[in-house]
Amino acid sequence: KAGVTQTPRYLIKTRGQQVTLSCSPISGHRSVSWYQQTPGQGLQFLFEYFSETQRNKGNFPGRFSGRQFSNSRSEMNVSTLELGDSALYLCASMNFLGNEQFFGPGTRLTVL
Amino acid sequence: GQQLNQSPQSMFIQEGEDVSMNCTSSSIFNTWLWYKQDPGEGPVLLIALYKAGELTSNGRLTAQFGITRKDSFLNISASIPSDVGIYFCAGLPNAGGTSYGKLTFGQGTILTVHP
Repeated sequence: KAGVTQTPRYLIKTRGQQVTLSCSPISGHRSVSWYQQTPGQGLQFLFEYFSETQRNKGNFPGRFSGRQFSNSRSEMNVSTLELGDSALYLCASMNFLGNEQFFGPGTRLTVL
Repeated sequence: GQQLNQSPQSMFIQEGEDVSMNCTSSSIFNTWLWYKQDPGEGPVLLIALYKAGELTSNGRLTAQFGITRKDSFLNISASIPSDVGIYFCAGLPNAGGTSYGKLTFGQGTILTVHP
């Protein structure tokens, strides 16, 4: 069974730009969660989608948004990028029982 | 945001030694997960624990779900060089409401193994 895939793996943007990251969950999984990982803050929850609906959201500004498609693929968007948005963005696919999450390799975003 | 208290922050050990790390929380979790992360990669799930008191093994790894549901530990026996990496604990509360899909993570334990 293929794992969680994320594209692109690396991105370099400048302040003020926007960016879209993509995640394809494990086949059959309908829940996708997004996390931001930084050296200072660790792994922080952004939001979770299930069947195209956002069910949960972390404490991030409205510049961070996401969506999920009918095939369970998910995208997250960050608008008006700031230097502090530089991070590893991780997507996780949750199993049917809702008690295990499997992570993709992440997208490394650098904001200059 | 809330994080679990994971210790130690780092460990430097000799190959062949055993390793122990733990996580504590002020909140109750229904599931404890342990992950390993290599540089530039996403965390890989090592062990999942679902019941208070549960002891689970995966090869040289053993983890336990604390009786109070507020703590968990991970042991690695007979460490080898490929055990190097960052180990994270993560807690998942009851499904539903503000907890959907939201793992709370520890700060991580950086493990270095000297051959």
